[in-house]
Parts: sequence; C-alpha cells; structure tokens
Amino acid sequence: DAKTTQPNSMESNEEEPVHLPCNHSTISGTDYIHWYRQLPSQGPEYVIHGLTSNVNNRMASLAIAEDRKSSTLILHRATLRDAAVYYCILREPNTGNQFYFGTGTSLTVIP
Amino acid sequence: GAGVSQTPSNKVTEKGKYVELRCDPISGHTALYWYRQSLGQGPEFLIYFQGTGAADDSGLPNDRFFAVRPEGSVSTLKIQRTERGDSAVYLCASSLIGGMNTGELFFGEGSRLTVL
Repeated sequence: DAKTTQPNSMESNEEEPVHLPCNHSTISGTDYIHWYRQLPSQGPEYVIHGLTSNVNNRMASLAIAEDRKSSTLILHRATLRDAAVYYCILREPNTGNQFYFGTGTSLTVIP
Repeated sequence: GAGVSQTPSNKVTEKGKYVELRCDPISGHTALYWYRQSLGQGPEFLIYFQGTGAADDSGLPNDRFFAVRPEGSVSTLKIQRTERGDSAVYLCASSLIGGMNTGELFFGEGSRLTVL
C-alpha cells in the first residue's frame, strides 16, 4: 500500500487559515488523494479528494503538488468544530477498498 | 436517521466469549466496510463487501473473525473466543460504489468492544 506521512499534531487560531500537509512520495500515477477527518467519539467523515488538479468544496480546498508527491488540505477559516484528526489517504483504483488511514494529524483550534 | 447505524454502541465481554456487532448501512449503498480502531491509531481495514459477497477479507486478523452480509444490506461482524487484544472501536462504513476512486465512505459512530 502506498503510504502517507503527516505531522502528528498542529495548532491553529480560530478564524485563521490552516494548512495541513501530507507527503506521499511513493504515490502511483493512478492513486487518488483523499482526506477524511474524525471528530472525537465519531466515525471518520469525508472531506475532499483529488487526482492532479486542485479541488475546492464547501468544507476545504486541496492543493496537490505538480509532482503529486505531496498535498495540502486548506481550511480557510478554522472554527472550534474543525478540531479533529485529519487523515490523508491514497486510494488505488483497483484495490481502492483498502483505505490506509495512518495516524493522521490532530488539529487543535485555539479560541 | 439516514446514516450508518451500528449496534451495540458499547459492548463489554469476558475473554473467550463470542461477540456479534451489527451494521445497518445507508439504504441503497452496495459497498460495506468494516474497520477496527485502537486507541491513538487510525482505522485499520478488516473486510469489504460488494453486495452480499466479501470482495476482500484480507484485513481480518485471524480465523476468529468473520463477517456476513446475507441480503446485501445489514452486516454482522462476528468474533469468536474474544481476547483482550480485540478491544477496540469497530467501525462500519458504506458507500454507493466500492473499490473505485470517488466512492465517498460514510461511517457509523462505531461499536466500542472491551474484552476483560
């Protein structure tokens, strides 16, 4: 399985942007980059995904490096409800059922 | 509600006992996944169903673990002769399509299993 590397933890001030990095140097050409987050005592929830181009949705933006060896999840204005563990995951098309979550980045939002 | 439902939310059992955990996926979702999450770790893949069949069970740790989905909807994860190391949160997820790039997974809140 292609693996990802994320910082164990990050802090952000409320209402400021947050950039969560992810390294995936062994990514293959067909792997999609997915982000999920997990709030305390809940199951993970989908945030965003992309292949090559940057992506935006109502929750966040995903910036993908040109060589695809890294990506960044951007929360434009962090709120206290964004405090969660964020997982960067590579999903391979043919065996895409096995999401490898890793340990993720625990985001603390400071009021 | 319309989300993935898991029961029980908490289960305490004794070592050596048999346990069943149930997952009720979102209606119409053909793909169903079981994950296990230990404290401080990310979810770990166990098994994936496409319809009634287990398309990938390579994550099941040993033959004490078994899962079924007889009618392509509700799934049951069965653990025989439980061990203390089986203590974890067992997460179920479903999606409209499985094994493909854009199949967003919808997770339940999990069943917390404690083996004494």
